[in-house]
Amino acid sequence: NAGVTQTPKFQVLKTGQSMTLQCAQDMNHEYMSWYRQDPGMGLRLIHYSVGAGITDQGEVPNGYNVSRSTTEDFPLRLLSAAPSQTSVYFCASSYSKHLNQPQHFGDGTRLSIL
Amino acid sequence: GNSVTQMEGPVTLSEEAFLTINCTYTATGYPSLFWYVQYPGEGLQLLLKATKADDKGSNKGFEATYRKETTSFHLEKGSVQVSDSAVYFCALFDSGAGSYQLTFGKGTKLSVIP
Repeated sequence: NAGVTQTPKFQVLKTGQSMTLQCAQDMNHEYMSWYRQDPGMGLRLIHYSVGAGITDQGEVPNGYNVSRSTTEDFPLRLLSAAPSQTSVYFCASSYSKHLNQPQHFGDGTRLSIL
Repeated sequence: GNSVTQMEGPVTLSEEAFLTINCTYTATGYPSLFWYVQYPGEGLQLLLKATKADDKGSNKGFEATYRKETTSFHLEKGSVQVSDSAVYFCALFDSGAGSYQLTFGKGTKLSVIP
């Protein structure tokens, strides 16, 4: 049982490049989300999805796109990377959108934009 | 809107010392409250939770009591170990807010020295 798998673990990009951070879960969870973690800022929600085909914005959505074509996968796209997007990105999933249940987190993607 | 405020870190304690990490919250409804822990190089994992007033969550020797009158959910442990060194996040989910998001505090880094 892999849980939540994020790839890659590390990435360095140049300003203006695009890339997709991958997230997959094998627990048949309804809810998936992306956070960024920055020093002194805690975790901030970027986008979330309450089921296949349904996504919504979180606190800091600008510069990021998401889609949810399957229950298992929830990729995060940076269309034109900026240095302000240097961060650690976490994907999380939960059994239900009613978040009284635990969220299960991946191990993170450490992204640097030069 | 909803918010979580937790004590600033870092906190450094000697092994077997008593730990308290303060957490207070603001919510429009009746939230569920959580403590998550992040060990170095890993994602977050749920430590404990409480879903209604006066509930006590407990796990691995850690405890927190949901205090509605003081809007608090302080984390305590009677005797910390070196292995408890991590970053601790207080969080809430407010089902009455109309959105499916966890609100996190900024995190408190705990270092336990032998």
